[in-house]
Amino acid sequence: NAGVTQTPKFQVLKTGQSMTLQCAQDMNHNSMYWYRQDPGMGLRLIYYSASEGTTDKGEVPNGYNVSRLNKREFSLRLESAAPSQTSVYFCATNRQGANEKLFFGSGTQLSVL
Amino acid sequence: GENVEQHPSTLSVQEGDSAVIKCTYSDSASNYFPWYKQELGKRPQLIIDIRSNVGEKKDQRIAVTLNKTAKHFSLHITETQPEDSAVYFCAASTFGNEKLTFGTGTRLTIIP
Repeated sequence: NAGVTQTPKFQVLKTGQSMTLQCAQDMNHNSMYWYRQDPGMGLRLIYYSASEGTTDKGEVPNGYNVSRLNKREFSLRLESAAPSQTSVYFCATNRQGANEKLFFGSGTQLSVL
Repeated sequence: GENVEQHPSTLSVQEGDSAVIKCTYSDSASNYFPWYKQELGKRPQLIIDIRSNVGEKKDQRIAVTLNKTAKHFSLHITETQPEDSAVYFCAASTFGNEKLTFGTGTRLTIIP
């Protein structure tokens, strides 16, 4: 029972390159989220998926796209990476909605040069 | 949208003393207020939460208080121990809303 699994753990990109961050959960949760964490700015919501087949923008969606592939998997794509996207990215899940405990993945440290 | 402010940004206390972290929120409709702890290099983990129909909640050495009129809530840690050293985040959301808004975090250091 792995919980929430994120890959990769570390990634270095050059400006303009693309990449996809993967998140998978085996908790049978409906809601999945992508956050970014920057020093002094807390955790900011990029995109979320309330259920399979639906996605919505969060606080900072520009420069990102997401796919809820099925109930288990929620991926985050950077089409053309920029230095401003250097951050730690966390996937999180819960049973349903923002009023319940979030379970976080271990994070992806991304550097864009 | 919701705005959550958190103070202080850093806090150092002697081992055994108490620590208090305060947060204010802007949306009077918010009704769920969790606190997450993030140890260095680790993922955030929920340590306690409170809903708007409750004024205070305790779990061993940690407690959270909520003042809906003033729109602020606080985390209290008593008898602090070295393992309490971490970054603590408050957050707020509204029932039925998928968006949980986090504060900017407090780095708590326990001095042995």
